[in-house]
Amino acid sequence: AQSVTQLDSQVPVFEEAPVELRCNYSSSVSVYLFWYVQYPNQGLQLLLKYLSGSTLVESINGFEAEFNKSQTSFHLRKPSVHISDTAEYFCAVTTYSSASKIIFGSGTRLSIRP
Amino acid sequence: TAGITQAPTSQILAAGRSMTLRCTQDMRHNAMYWYRQDLGLGLRLIHYSNTAGTTGKGEVPDGYSVSRANTDDFPLTLASAVPSQTSVYFCASSAYGGAGGNEQFFGPGTRLTVL
Repeated sequence: AQSVTQLDSQVPVFEEAPVELRCNYSSSVSVYLFWYVQYPNQGLQLLLKYLSGSTLVESINGFEAEFNKSQTSFHLRKPSVHISDTAEYFCAVTTYSSASKIIFGSGTRLSIRP
Repeated sequence: TAGITQAPTSQILAAGRSMTLRCTQDMRHNAMYWYRQDLGLGLRLIHYSNTAGTTGKGEVPDGYSVSRANTDDFPLTLASAVPSQTSVYFCASSAYGGAGGNEQFFGPGTRLTVL
């Protein structure tokens, strides 16, 4: 079975500062990895995903994540955050044979200070 | 495009009462899911359906039932609500189940309080 650990429940940063949200996973088979974002009072939206190929994946709003198989990590980064990035971010993992049981991390709340 | 709609938006329910949370999608997705979101626990899968006519149990199925009579609708029923079922419930869908790379699309959620 696979699992996901998000090491930080809350990350406060100043506007225009860089940020890294950490995600580690465990699995005995190959994985697919996702980052979802939840803005206040909304459902989750896909931010980016790693399926195969290049280990660095990017979103349209400047976030990127790098799949690191040796460290079993999929950390999310942004070089300069904006107030509008305030949200909760969820890392998730699934495998080819168990997509119906995507496993979500406990979430990291990103708060941006002006 | 509406995507996924959920009803009601919020509800206060007396313990022991039954309730059905409604979920409808207009994307013709084969797979649908119900999650509950609790502070510090992230999202936990309650039940899922890979295609109309089939359902499966997720991580926390006890106290909940689902049906999938057609592609678009996936109602979640609490037969006899208990306070521990107080949560925010999200319905989601994906084009296919059983193939790991599919993005899941989420509804806006139903906030349920059981007193």
